[in-house]
Amino acid sequence: GNSVTQMEGPVTLSEEAFLTINCTYTATGYPSLFWYVQYPGEGLQLLLKATKADDKGSNKGFEATYRKETTSFHLEKGSVQVSDSAVYFCALSVYSNDYKLSFGAGTTVTVRA
Amino acid sequence: GAVVSQHPSWVICKSGTSVKIECRSLDFQATTMFWYRQFPKQSLMLMATSNEGSKATYEQGVEKDKFLINHASLTLSTLTVTSAHPEDSSFYICSATPGLYEQYFGPGTRLTVT
Repeated sequence: GNSVTQMEGPVTLSEEAFLTINCTYTATGYPSLFWYVQYPGEGLQLLLKATKADDKGSNKGFEATYRKETTSFHLEKGSVQVSDSAVYFCALSVYSNDYKLSFGAGTTVTVRA
Repeated sequence: GAVVSQHPSWVICKSGTSVKIECRSLDFQATTMFWYRQFPKQSLMLMATSNEGSKATYEQGVEKDKFLINHASLTLSTLTVTSAHPEDSSFYICSATPGLYEQYFGPGTRLTVT
């Protein structure tokens, strides 16, 4: 089946620190990979995506590279801000499953000034 | 672009009553819409998939008679929680896709059943 395993949180960082959230997956078929962000009391926003191996998704200083050989899609940001405090979800979708999203458990990130 | 709205954003209802939640794609036509439920500090649980003009497909364990989904047009899907009970209190989130792999999420609806 399809599943996503995410680094457990919560993660607490100081402003300007480096952030990494690990994400690995298993999939039947060739998945597309996503990172979504959820701010308190809100729905999910697509942060970045990658649809094939070695693709790098990037947005707002965040990056993640689709690594087929290690089945990973780790999220990184070089210098976090207080406004990056949110819950981050790694997800995948596969054509053979009607593109339904399979989510990781989510990682809560808190950035302190 | 790719904006999805939900209405209402927050609703309180009494036990035994029904509540309807709307999900609209504002600037694209959604071939498929999804409904999720999220418990506090947890991930999203897919409840059902709806395609315009056809019956929704429910995930295992989701009561289709309790959670009625209607996908009336390419821009509107509704979720009706029938005979709501306190255990139905949750955060309900919809998403919509114009096709292929990308989903755009609504802001969510917080339902509280008293």
